Amino acid sequence: DGGITQSPKYLFRKEGQNVTLSCEQNLNHDAMYWYRQDPGQGLRLIYYSQIVNDFQKGDIAEGYSVSREKKESFPLTVTSAQKNPTAFYLCASSTLDSSQNEQFFGPGTRLTVL
Amino acid sequence: AQSVTQLGSHVSVSEGALVLLRCNYSSSVPPYLFWYVQYPNQGLQLLLKYTSAATLVKGINGFEAEFKKSETSFHLTKPSAHMSDAAEYFCAVRRGGYQKVTFGTGTKLQVIP
Repeated sequence: DGGITQSPKYLFRKEGQNVTLSCEQNLNHDAMYWYRQDPGQGLRLIYYSQIVNDFQKGDIAEGYSVSREKKESFPLTVTSAQKNPTAFYLCASSTLDSSQNEQFFGPGTRLTVL
Repeated sequence: AQSVTQLGSHVSVSEGALVLLRCNYSSSVPPYLFWYVQYPNQGLQLLLKYTSAATLVKGINGFEAEFKKSETSFHLTKPSAHMSDAAEYFCAVRRGGYQKVTFGTGTKLQVIP
């Protein structure tokens, strides 16, 4: 089955630590995205990428970093510079075809800062 | 800039009753519109999408939505609610390029037995 996997499902971090969230897709999609979800705020775009070795900042990129070394993988690092990292993080992917570009989502990672 | 507004953060319906979840968008050009569903601690799943082919769009699980340009609305409906419909629903609009999707703040649907 094609899809998107995220790991881990739950992640606990101490203040001052960097953590990396994994996202892998086998849908052969060119574009990948990271969103942050907080209660009552919907989804906010952190970073996105349409091609290997290239990515762009979304609306709330401060305190986050990404890489895109392989088409299938788009890991997100939450750095210690992120002041309020506790949230639910969702990875998504899509084609670049403008008529078929709904985003497909992974199951999410819930990050809690202790 | 394109945006979406979902009216009502919480909606309660009785099992078997009509479900109506409201979404209004602002767009300077014909938009692509989406409805997604999210169950607790899970990712989002696409219910349906509007891409200008037809104003009445049918989706999965018996849901449908009607695009009304004059009202800038894309409300989600289902004739008869089922307990399994209890979830959070998000309306989204693509704001230009493929990557620029804006999500509404979500509506939590409660189904009362």
